[in-house]
Amino acid sequence: DVKVTQSSRYLVKRTGEKVFLECVQDMDHENMFWYRQDPGLGLRLIYFSYDVKMKEKGDIPEGYSVSREKKERFSLILESASTNQTSMYLCASRMGGFASTGLTGELFFGEGSRLTVL
Amino acid sequence: AQTVTQSQPEMSVQEAETVTLSCTYDTSESNYYLFWYKQPPSRQMILVIRQEAYKQQNATENRFSVNFQKAAKSFSLKISDSQLGDTAMYFCAFMKPYQGAQKLVFGQGTRLTINP
Repeated sequence: DVKVTQSSRYLVKRTGEKVFLECVQDMDHENMFWYRQDPGLGLRLIYFSYDVKMKEKGDIPEGYSVSREKKERFSLILESASTNQTSMYLCASRMGGFASTGLTGELFFGEGSRLTVL
Repeated sequence: AQTVTQSQPEMSVQEAETVTLSCTYDTSESNYYLFWYKQPPSRQMILVIRQEAYKQQNATENRFSVNFQKAAKSFSLKISDSQLGDTAMYFCAFMKPYQGAQKLVFGQGTRLTINP
């Protein structure tokens, strides 16, 4: 089974702190994603990566950065946490390649990291 | 940009009943993929069912089936013989395939509660 592991289930940080959220997947997937989940807003894409050291901004990248130095690990960084970044953060991974080639396009998710910024 | 709308924030049904969750989307693309994901309480999100836009036949997975209306841009999920374990947040998602990472756009979610 594919396993996506997020380092922390619950974090409490103070405004202005630097926050690292780590995500590791064990299935050699090329694509990795960071979403934030907020009630009434669903999941919104922050950043994604389609290969090592490659990254692209998603829909809400402001206030975040990412790092992908190894294929299995994708980190989300909040350089200076703010209260409006209090949220659930979900990491996901997927095999690369065209969906049209028969790949399911299925995303595999971690359990989520609930971040509270005070 | 593609958008996905789930107009039912919450739904509640009795065990063994059939329930339908609604999803509409907006796109100018002709080829795309649609998904329903399930997020049980305090557990990982998992894929429930997938539909390819170029396929006329509605996808089914055991008790889960979809009603895909391409012209109406509608993609509803039907759960038959609902079970307590179906209690979860359900998210509809859209994906446009292109080279590189293929991003999913999610709806707002529907919280489904199955009552005993």
